[in-house]
Amino acid sequence: LAKTTQPISMDSYEGQEVNITCSHNNIATNDYITWYQQFPSQGPRFIIQGYKTKVTNEVASLFIPADRKSSTLSLPRVSLSDTAVYYCLVAPGTGFQKLVFGTGTRLLVSP
Amino acid sequence: EAGVAQSPRYKIIEKRQSVAFWCNPISGHATLYWYQQILGQGPKLLIQFQNNGVVDDSQLPKDRFSAERLKGVDSTLKIQPAKLEDSAVYLCASSPRRDYNEQFFGPGTRLTVL
Repeated sequence: LAKTTQPISMDSYEGQEVNITCSHNNIATNDYITWYQQFPSQGPRFIIQGYKTKVTNEVASLFIPADRKSSTLSLPRVSLSDTAVYYCLVAPGTGFQKLVFGTGTRLLVSP
Repeated sequence: EAGVAQSPRYKIIEKRQSVAFWCNPISGHATLYWYQQILGQGPKLLIQFQNNGVVDDSQLPKDRFSAERLKGVDSTLKIQPAKLEDSAVYLCASSPRRDYNEQFFGPGTRLTVL
């Protein structure tokens, strides 16, 4: 499984766009990039998944360059409720889903 | 749709005691996972079930941890005897099938071993 590297923490203010970049240099051909969000005292929650280029849903956008060695999670106009830990994971798109979580990025949104 | 249910939410025990956690996955989900999350770290997979069979238990400390999923629905995770380093949040997750792209997590059980 490819190892991921992401910043330990980030700070932002309400209304700003937040971009969290994840490095995964050893990503395999059949690997997908997945992001989870975890609030205090809750289990992680799936945010978005992608293979290449750009994926957008109602919560976030995921940008993946052509070489797929990194990815960027973009959260538009964050609010206080977006304060959480964000995990970047790489896992095979087929076969059994073994998720390996790193320490994640702790995002703090201030007023 | 009801989410993954776990109980108890909190448990405090002394070392060398036994403890059990219960998980009820989302209805119809064939795959069930147990994770251990130590404070400040990401969740670590302990065991994965497909229906009532074990798919992966490579990171389960089998000398003290055991898990079962009778009838392929509910699951229990047991620790016997507990050590101080077992203090963590134990998360249960489920998904419709092994290759589904999303896992649905419960709220977890916070275990404190004194």
